[in-house]
Amino acid sequence: DGGITQSPKYLFRKEGQNVTLSCEQNLNHDAMYWYRQDPGQGLRLIYYSQIVNDFQKGDIAEGYSVSREKKESFPLTVTSAQKNPTAFYLCASSPQVGGGNQPQHFGDGTRLSIL
Amino acid sequence: SQKIEQNSEALNIQEGKTATLTCNYTNYSPAYLQWYRQDPGRGPVFLLLIRENEKEKRKERLKVTFDTTLKQSLFHITASQPADSATYLCALKNNAGNMLTFGGGTRLMVKP
Repeated sequence: DGGITQSPKYLFRKEGQNVTLSCEQNLNHDAMYWYRQDPGQGLRLIYYSQIVNDFQKGDIAEGYSVSREKKESFPLTVTSAQKNPTAFYLCASSPQVGGGNQPQHFGDGTRLSIL
Repeated sequence: SQKIEQNSEALNIQEGKTATLTCNYTNYSPAYLQWYRQDPGRGPVFLLLIRENEKEKRKERLKVTFDTTLKQSLFHITASQPADSATYLCALKNNAGNMLTFGGGTRLMVKP
């Protein structure tokens, strides 16, 4: 079955540490996205990528970094510069960015907490 | 400023009744609007999409309406079941932009 796999499901970060969240898709989608979800709030866009080796900042990119070396993979690094990293992180994909009436397919998220 | 508003209070209804959830938006001119379901600890799952020139869309027990004059979408679940209990998110994409923007979601609780 095609889909998006996020790992790990739970992650703990120590002070001053960078951590990387994994996102893999086998849907052959060009576009991939990272969102952050805080309790009672909507999803906020961190970064998105339209194609391999290209990515753009979203609304809350500060303290985060991404790479897109393969079509299937879009890892997110939460750096030590992100002072409030505790949240639920969701990865999504769609055939293209801005491509008409395309729904986004989501993984099951990674919950990041501070130790 | 642009805003998407969904009722942050949980909606509690009795099994068998129709649940109606509201999505209001301000300062958007959406080409289309999407609805997603999210269960606790899971990612959102796409349910329905409605275009700006469509008034209503149906899928099994689900119905979505889209009123661009009122700047509002209504999401209905008829003959609701406890398994329908979840958080429902609306999302829209501006004509001028490439990204989806999500509302905060409304939690629906269907009691047996």
